[in-house]
Amino acid sequence: EVQLVESGGGLVQPGGSLRFSCAASGFTFSTHGLSWVRQAPGKGLEWVSGINSGGSTFYADSVKGRFTISRDNSKNTLYLQMDSLRAEDTALYYCAKGRYSVYGPFDSWGQGTLVTVSS
Amino acid sequence: EIVLTQSPATLSLSPGERATLSCRASQSVSSQLAWYQQKPGQAPRLLIYDASNRATGITDRFSGSGSGTDFTLTISRLEPEDFAVYYCQQRSSWPPTFGQGTKLEIK
Repeated sequence: EVQLVESGGGLVQPGGSLRFSCAASGFTFSTHGLSWVRQAPGKGLEWVSGINSGGSTFYADSVKGRFTISRDNSKNTLYLQMDSLRAEDTALYYCAKGRYSVYGPFDSWGQGTLVTVSS
Repeated sequence: EIVLTQSPATLSLSPGERATLSCRASQSVSSQLAWYQQKPGQAPRLLIYDASNRATGITDRFSGSGSGTDFTLTISRLEPEDFAVYYCQQRSSWPPTFGQGTKLEIK
């Protein structure tokens, strides 16, 4: 069974940084693209960033230059480093496994980790 | 970026009825469209990929159709557990985008 477990969210001040992770199991981690998808409170889904099996990274314009996605295939773990955080980055962040690519479709999702950016 | 517009925003139906949800793309996405179901407090769940293929474990009451710019998700006979929010998503071009969602509520 595929499992994706996020951890590391929390409350951070505007301009601050946060790093969280997604531990994966139940599939061959190194051969799949993975993405972060976020959902602001009461809102819809927004793709944030992805990394393919070869390590190439992709970002939404709204986070480019501020967020960094990475993966450690030896630990089956995906990471998202978030810098220069803004209030509009407040959301539930999901780790999602791409069936074909980092662009989706996303056939497995974690339970999400909440990031709140507020002073 | 490709904009996906879902309609209606809210659909009120009774158990046993048929639900038809629409997703329109601002430009062609070929068949590279997926549908997800999200219940309150839960992560999204993949229902349909590549416009018409059911994901693993999804009942055949769910079906998808369409190509190019117009897509439909049909739920043939609504069960109580089907009342949720449904999102479409395209992977045809960067960035991948989601529709704003259709809330399927019990009438």
